[in-house]
Amino acid sequence: GAGVSQSPSNKVTEKGKDVELRCDPISGHTALYWYRQSLGQGLEFLIYFQGNSAPDKSGLPSDRFSAERTGGSVSTLTIQRTQQEDSAVYLCASSYGGPQETQYFGPGTRLLVL
Amino acid sequence: AQSVTQLGSHVSVSEGALVLLRCNYSSSVPPYLFWYVQYPNQGLQLLLKYTTGATLVKGINGFEAEFKKSETSFHLTKPSAHMSDAAEYFCAVSPNDYKLSFGAGTTVTVRA
Repeated sequence: GAGVSQSPSNKVTEKGKDVELRCDPISGHTALYWYRQSLGQGLEFLIYFQGNSAPDKSGLPSDRFSAERTGGSVSTLTIQRTQQEDSAVYLCASSYGGPQETQYFGPGTRLLVL
Repeated sequence: AQSVTQLGSHVSVSEGALVLLRCNYSSSVPPYLFWYVQYPNQGLQLLLKYTTGATLVKGINGFEAEFKKSETSFHLTKPSAHMSDAAEYFCAVSPNDYKLSFGAGTTVTVRA
């Protein structure tokens, strides 16, 4: 079946602009995660959605970052007033939920802030 | 808090040789343990995972890993490296919540 898809695959923006990154999880997966992969920080957890529960936002690095998940499916990660340090690959993953469940990752969105 | 340490950021092996990637974790509770592989410009793909039961776990592409609680380790091995094994490998833990904590990664190169 179809895996996790993300769009765009690449995004170049200017410092100060807002960007939106999209994630389509695997159908039937109740849990959705965003991670960030950067040279300096490695792979970092950003935010977690599970069903209709309140999201776990504990990994968001600042209030410029926000995410929503509509209808329990598609998710959008928004970065406002982008900074150069936001340049990274943003990875989305989905699973059936539960810490033992495999998280399936999308190909990522490569963000470059000039 | 939990952390994951991968010894060696780069490993170079000859084709046909043993691949050994080391992973140690610190966790206040027995964790769930994962190894993921990332090929260039792609997302992460699960190689194998340990949840409960047998401590020797077999995964895809001939990889296996052994959970050793006394050593807090989960080292990844493959008896015979193939050129297609060249990639970056990440060890991850999920103690008792849903967030994966990743190691820094080990890049494997395979020499012909």
